[in-house]
Amino acid sequence: DVKVTQSSRYLVKRTGEKVFLECVQDMDHENMFWYRQDPGLGLRLIYFSYDVKMKEKGDIPEGYSVSREKKERFSLILESASTNQTSMYLCASSFSRESVYNEQFFGPGTRLTVL
Amino acid sequence: AQSVAQPEDQVNVAEGNPLTVKCTYSVSGNPYLFWYVQYPNRGLQFLLKYITGDNLVKGSYGFEAEFNKSQTSFHLKKPSALVSDSALYFCAVRARPGTYKYIFGTGTRLKVLA
Repeated sequence: DVKVTQSSRYLVKRTGEKVFLECVQDMDHENMFWYRQDPGLGLRLIYFSYDVKMKEKGDIPEGYSVSREKKERFSLILESASTNQTSMYLCASSFSRESVYNEQFFGPGTRLTVL
Repeated sequence: AQSVAQPEDQVNVAEGNPLTVKCTYSVSGNPYLFWYVQYPNRGLQFLLKYITGDNLVKGSYGFEAEFNKSQTSFHLKKPSALVSDSALYFCAVRARPGTYKYIFGTGTRLKVLA
């Protein structure tokens, strides 16, 4: 089974702090994603990576950056955390952009609270 | 613009009754359609997908979904609901080919009453 792990289940940070969220997948997937999940808004894509060192902005990239130095690891960085970034953050991976086996596999999520 | 809609925030159904969770979409070209389920304090789990072929797709845990091109719908169904089916359900669509982005609906909370 594909396993996607996230470094923390719960995180509490203060406004202005730099925050790192880590995600690791163990199935050699090419694609990795970061979403945030908010009630009534569903999942919104923050950033996407289709290869090492490659990234593309999603729908809501403002205030975030990402890093993918190794294929299995995709990090989300909040440069200066703000209270409106309090949310559930979900990491996901999928096999390949062109493959028919393109469902996403999700991590358990990190619930971030910014005070 | 591409979009996906889940018109019901919550669906209540009695245990043993059939359930339907609705999803409609708007994309250019042929869609790739997905259903995911999220149990409390968990990430999303893949249930089933429609890529091409038979309009009735069977998935995990006894769920199935029917693709209806004329109505641009992909409703999730199960003949007999279980209390353990209570969860948050998300519909998602990916336009083909070569598009990496998924559009998720806002989610429908299914509550199965004993």
